[in-house]
Amino acid sequence: EAGVAQSPRYKIIEKRQSVAFWCNPISGHATLYWYQQILGQGPKLLIQFQNNGVVDDSQLPKDRFSAERLKGVDSTLKIQPAKLEDSAVYLCASSPVGQGGYGYTFGSGTRLTVV
Amino acid sequence: TQLLEQSPQFLSIQEGENLTVYCNSSSVFSSLQWYRQEPGEGPVLLVTVVTGGEVKKLKRLTFQFGDARKDSSLHITAAQPGDTGLYLCAGAPGNQFYFGTGTSLTVIP
Repeated sequence: EAGVAQSPRYKIIEKRQSVAFWCNPISGHATLYWYQQILGQGPKLLIQFQNNGVVDDSQLPKDRFSAERLKGVDSTLKIQPAKLEDSAVYLCASSPVGQGGYGYTFGSGTRLTVV
Repeated sequence: TQLLEQSPQFLSIQEGENLTVYCNSSSVFSSLQWYRQEPGEGPVLLVTVVTGGEVKKLKRLTFQFGDARKDSSLHITAAQPGDTGLYLCAGAPGNQFYFGTGTSLTVIP
């Protein structure tokens, strides 16, 4: 079975610019997550989708971050405008169930550097 | 304050040594998971512990879930360079899934 696909793998932008990340989950997985991971730390949940609806976005900085999951499959995460502290790896994960982390599969992530 | 605190944060040991990583919380978890993450990759699930007091073994790795289901440990016997990576515990006390603060392990040949 194909894994969770993310693109791009790397992105370097200047502060105040915009950037978008794309995620294609495992086929049939209803739940999709976006995480932000600072180097050497555990991932922090930004947003959780169940099909195309948002389940939890309490830790998403909504003044600059947005995410959507059209048709309940692919998802995009956007940052506009980017700040230096947004430099991190952005991980996408999917699972066939709604909670608990069961069946989690992560993508390889997008490493964002804001200069 | 992090919901899941791991210790130590960094660990550098010689090949062949043993080590233990701890994951602690004040919350009760129905289950806890351990992940290993290599540089440039996403975390990969190692094990899920469900029952208080449960011990699971995966080759040289031994995972234990505390009796009160608030803590867990990962013990590695005779560490090898291939064990190098970021080890993460994770769990969901409610509807949200949390990751621990992480333990970065380096095994020196």
